[in-house]
This record gives sequence, structure tokens and C-alpha cells, in this order.
Amino acid sequence: EPEVTQTPSHQVTQMGQEVILRCVPISNHLYFYWYRQILGQKVEFLVSFYNNEISEKSEIFDDQFSVERPDGSNFTLKIRSTKLEDSAMYFCASSLQAERTEAFFGQGTRLTVV
Amino acid sequence: GNSVTQMEGPVTLSEEAFLTINCTYTATGYPSLFWYVQYPGEGLQLLLKATKADDKGSNKGFEATYRKETTSFHLEKGSVQVSDSAVYFCALSAGTGGFKTIFGAGTRLFVKA
Repeated sequence: EPEVTQTPSHQVTQMGQEVILRCVPISNHLYFYWYRQILGQKVEFLVSFYNNEISEKSEIFDDQFSVERPDGSNFTLKIRSTKLEDSAMYFCASSLQAERTEAFFGQGTRLTVV
Repeated sequence: GNSVTQMEGPVTLSEEAFLTINCTYTATGYPSLFWYVQYPGEGLQLLLKATKADDKGSNKGFEATYRKETTSFHLEKGSVQVSDSAVYFCALSAGTGGFKTIFGAGTRLFVKA
């Protein structure tokens, strides 16, 4: 069964460092997303991406964040200068359609900023 | 804007008990509704979905009915097992206000043997 894969599963980084979280969405999906979940809390939307551009972003997705689809398979989230409060589980998701359709989620990358 | 409200947990049940987790939503337009489950240490898995009024989504003994008149999508299971212990998220995807998935806060379920 096709699935969304994320690497690494766990990343520890020092405050102020740049991190790149990687995702391989389901191959025929067209819409890509990043969400985050601070430990034990709500799943929060960060950004959606379609046709090689950002479709929508939340208030959380400030200038420190960027996304890219560098080739036909990968979808990345970059945090330019990490802060302690960026520590969270980051989920990548993809969907075939935009409206009213389910998104398929990866297993997540746990980011710990020390 | 679009939002999802679900009952706070944790919910603690004995094995074979009946489960209900309440979920209500606010949406402009006509959303699709979902329940996702997160087992300890794992990602989000789609449990079931419903795309129109009166649809019943079902999977693994869980079911939920899309009630447009009460804007609700309550999750039920007749007999829970220890292996059902997880966090359950009600969610929606709407045609207006963006097409992202919007999640409720999650309800943690503990099932005791």
C-alpha cells in the first residue's frame, strides 16, 4: 500500500542551527502539507503546497520556515534558525485532490532543539 | 472560520465497554469529516471518513455518522479492546476556507484489561 515516508524519524539540533526535514509523498498525489504537533497537543497546520508553490500557510509558518519540492519525489521543510519552541513532531501529508478529501500522513519526524 | 471541537479526555474504559467520543464542527460550505487515530509513538492514521450528510463511516468496529442538522460526527464502538488505546482526532476538510485538514484537540482513550 502506498505511504508517505519521512526522514529522519528523530532529529536533535542545537538552537540556531538549520534543519531540513524530508518527505516522500505518495507518488500520484498532487497536494502536499506540513503539520506539527507539540508534545501532547493539537495537530497544527503549517503549510500546503501545490503546483510548485505555497497554496496556504498558517501564522506559525513565518520567515524561518520554507518548503521545497526539489525533484519529482521529495518535499522538504526547512527551518532556518531553530528555536527551542520548534521542538515538536512534524508530519508530512499528501492528498490526491484538494477539497474535501483525506490526507495521508507520514510517521513524523520528532525534532528536538537543545 | 472552520473548526472542530471534540470532547476532552482522557477517557478510561474497561475492555468490552461501549465507547462514544463526541465531535462537532463549524464549517462554511460542505466539509468531509474524518476520524484519525494516533497509536503511542506513531503517526496519524485515517480511521474512517464520511463525505456527505447521513453517510456512516466505519472501520475496525468503529463508526461515525455525518449529522448535518447537528453538525456532529461522533465516534462510537460497541466493545473496545486494550489495543484501541490511542489518541483519536476528529477532523474536517472543507471546500471553502482553504483545503487543509483541520483537527480537533484529540481525545486520549485508555482501555483497561
